[in-house]
Amino acid sequence: AQSVAQPEDQVNVAEGNPLTVKCTYSVSGNPYLFWYVQYPNRGLQFLLKYITGDNLVKGSYGFEAEFNKSQTSFHLKKPSALVSDSALYFCAVRDRPGGYNKLIFGAGTRLAVHP
Amino acid sequence: DTGVSQDPRHKITKRGQNVTFRCDPISEHNRLYWYRQTLGQGPEFLTYFQNEAQLEKSRLLSDRFSAERPKGSFSTLEIQRTEQGDSAMYLCASSLGAPQETQYFGPGTRLLVL
Repeated sequence: AQSVAQPEDQVNVAEGNPLTVKCTYSVSGNPYLFWYVQYPNRGLQFLLKYITGDNLVKGSYGFEAEFNKSQTSFHLKKPSALVSDSALYFCAVRDRPGGYNKLIFGAGTRLAVHP
Repeated sequence: DTGVSQDPRHKITKRGQNVTFRCDPISEHNRLYWYRQTLGQGPEFLTYFQNEAQLEKSRLLSDRFSAERPKGSFSTLEIQRTEQGDSAMYLCASSLGAPQETQYFGPGTRLLVL
């Protein structure tokens, strides 16, 4: 079965420092991977996705993610964190290839950026 | 593009009552998904529509839950005889019918069953 794991419940970083939010996946076939962000009492906002091609994917708000097939990872990164980046981040993988594209989500990582 | 909208945003009900939620997807999107998110967890898939056809349902969707998308546009999710365990955020998402499409989420309906 497809699955994702986010090993950190919370990540703390100082404003202006680089940030990394980790995600590992387990899939059969080629993975379709996604990152979403959720602000308090809000729905999920799409940040970026990896389907194929370059391993470094650039997305919204200066975020990027690196796909690493050998380590089965898809870590979210940003060179310089902002206090406004503080939110809940979810990694997701598309369910089985050829299926109806429902997403399987990780448990989420809370990012706290301190001034 | 007005995005995915959901109504109501919040619902408080007593155990045993029925509730209905509405989702209006992005207008040109023919795929619509419902997810449920409980506190401290990621969203979990409930059901999927392509146009008006309900093509997949999760085991999470007990017989107290029913979803419809009668004209392939908006969708409703009804919970009958609500239980306290139904308290959660109910999220709707929509996407285009391409194999690599991105799902765009609405703001969610937060349900509290007392």
